[in-house]
Order: sequence, then structure tokens, then C-alpha cells
Amino acid sequence: DAKTTQPNSMESNEEEPVHLPCNHSTISGTDYIHWYRQLPSQGPEYVIHGLTSNVNNRMASLAIAEDRKSSTLILHRATLRDAAVYYCILRDSGQGAQKLVFGQGTRLTINP
Amino acid sequence: DARVTQTPRHKVTEMGQEVTMRCQPILGHNTVFWYRQTMMQGLELLAYFRNRAPLDDSGMPKDRFSAEMPDATLATLKIQPSEPRDSAVYFCASGLGFSSYNEQFFGPGTRLTVL
Repeated sequence: DAKTTQPNSMESNEEEPVHLPCNHSTISGTDYIHWYRQLPSQGPEYVIHGLTSNVNNRMASLAIAEDRKSSTLILHRATLRDAAVYYCILRDSGQGAQKLVFGQGTRLTINP
Repeated sequence: DARVTQTPRHKVTEMGQEVTMRCQPILGHNTVFWYRQTMMQGLELLAYFRNRAPLDDSGMPKDRFSAEMPDATLATLKIQPSEPRDSAVYFCASGLGFSSYNEQFFGPGTRLTVL
């Protein structure tokens, strides 16, 4: 599986935008970029995914670099409830497409 | 709304005892996954099923762990005999579809402590 690199931790203030970076320089052309997050004492939850184009949903936006070697998860207006560990995951289209391979993620702290 | 449920939520047992964890996937989902989370190793995939058939259990210690899906509404993960190093949170997840863009829905986890 192609690897991703994320900062161990980030901190932001409530009601401000947050940009969570992810590097994936060995991404292949068919790898989807997924983001999941894990709130304290809960299971992971899906946030967003994309392939080449930027994506928006009700939770966040995903900005994908033109060469696809990096991406950024954008929380437009962070709330205290967004404090979680955020995982950037690549999923290929082959036999292992259904698996999620989690790295260490970025622990996001939101200050009131 | 539909959710993955797991029982028990917490389990404390002694080394050598059998432990069974249960998962009810979201109705209609055709893939089921078992993950384990520890402080040292993070989240690891243990096994997964597609249409109730085991597809990959390479992440599981085969001598003591077994995973089954007796029917479409129940997945089980069994440890026999349990050891202190099995202490972890075990998550079940389910999904619909087999592609690399399909979302997985996670349950709340079973926190296992083996003394």
C-alpha cells in the first residue's frame, strides 16, 4: 500500500478554518484519497474522499494537488466537536481496495 | 439511523479464557471488517468478509483468533485462549460495495482487557 505522511499534531481555534496536510508522493494513478477521523472513545468515521478533483461535502473539503502527491483536508469553521485524530488513507483499486490501512494520523486540538 | 452495533462494549477476562465479540453490521451491507486498536500499533485490520465469505484474515494470529459470519446479520471474533497482549479495542466495520471509494461504517468498539 502506498504510504501517507501527516503531522503528528495540530492545533487551531474554534470557528477558524483548519487545513490538515497529507503527503503521498508514491500515490498511483488509481489510488483514491480517503480521510477518516476518530473522535475520543469512538470508532473512526468517514469524512471525505477524492481521486483527482477537489471535493466538498457537509463535513469538509478536500483539496488535491495537481500532481496528486499531496492533499489537504479543510475544515471551514472548526468547532470543539472537530477535535479528533484525522487519518489520510490511500485505497487502491486492486484486490486490496476494500481495506483501510491506517497510519498514525494527525491529532487535532481545538481551542475554545 | 442505521449503525453498526457491537457487544459487549467492555470485557475484562483472565488469561486463558475464551472471549467472543459480536458485531451486527448495517442491514444490507455486504462487507464486514474487524480492526484492532492499541496504543503501540494503532489501528490494524485483522480480517474481512465479502458476502459472508472470509476474504483476508492475514492480520489475525491464526492459532488463537477466529472470525466468522454465521449469517448476514452477525459477525463474531473469537479469541481462545486469550492473552494479556490481546488487550485492545476491537472495532467492527461494515460497508456496501467492493470498490476503493466505498465508505466503511465503524461500530463503537469492544474494549477488551485480559488480566
